[in-house]
Amino acid sequence: DGGITQSPKYLFRKEGQNVTLSCEQNLNHDAMYWYRQDPGQGLRLIYYSQIVNDFQKGDIAEGYSVSREKKESFPLTVTSAQKNPTAFYLCASLRGLNYGYTFGSGTRLTVV
Amino acid sequence: AQKVTQAQTEISVVEKEDVTLDCVYETRDTTYYLFWYKQPPSGELVFLIRRNSFDEQNEISGRYSWNFQKSTSSFNFTITASQVVDSAVYFCALSERTGNQFYFGTGTSLTVIP
Repeated sequence: DGGITQSPKYLFRKEGQNVTLSCEQNLNHDAMYWYRQDPGQGLRLIYYSQIVNDFQKGDIAEGYSVSREKKESFPLTVTSAQKNPTAFYLCASLRGLNYGYTFGSGTRLTVV
Repeated sequence: AQKVTQAQTEISVVEKEDVTLDCVYETRDTTYYLFWYKQPPSGELVFLIRRNSFDEQNEISGRYSWNFQKSTSSFNFTITASQVVDSAVYFCALSERTGNQFYFGTGTSLTVIP
């Protein structure tokens, strides 16, 4: 079955470390997105990519970086510059606005 | 600027009761899309329905129904005869025409008590 795979499901990071969250899709969707979810705040857009080798900042891009070298992959790096990285991270792809996002199952990042 | 408001933070109902989740949106665009998503405890958001700004026809799908009213900028979601499996967080979202970003509400946590 087609879908989005996010790994790992749980991730622990020490302060000052960079970590990379994986997002892979086999849906052949062009557009991919990273959202951050905090309790009571809904989802906020970090980065998005409409095509390979191109990506744009969302509302809360500071302290994050992405790459889009392949259509199937859109990894997110949480850098040490991100002041409050503990959150639930969701990756999504979009076939078209008539269909809405397809989401991965998320990665819960905790800074220890 | 686009904005989605879900004023109900938490709702609890007894099984088999009907429940309506409210969603109010703001946008200056004449073309836009509205969505509802369900987030069960597992965390993955599941797409429920989409409406575009030119389609105000209400829809019923099984126990789910949606009421889209442009005059009041609302896109409400009703679950009829609620079940325990309906317990989840429900998000309303708005997208502009480009689809570059979805604007999510803060979610409504629904608990259905057996």
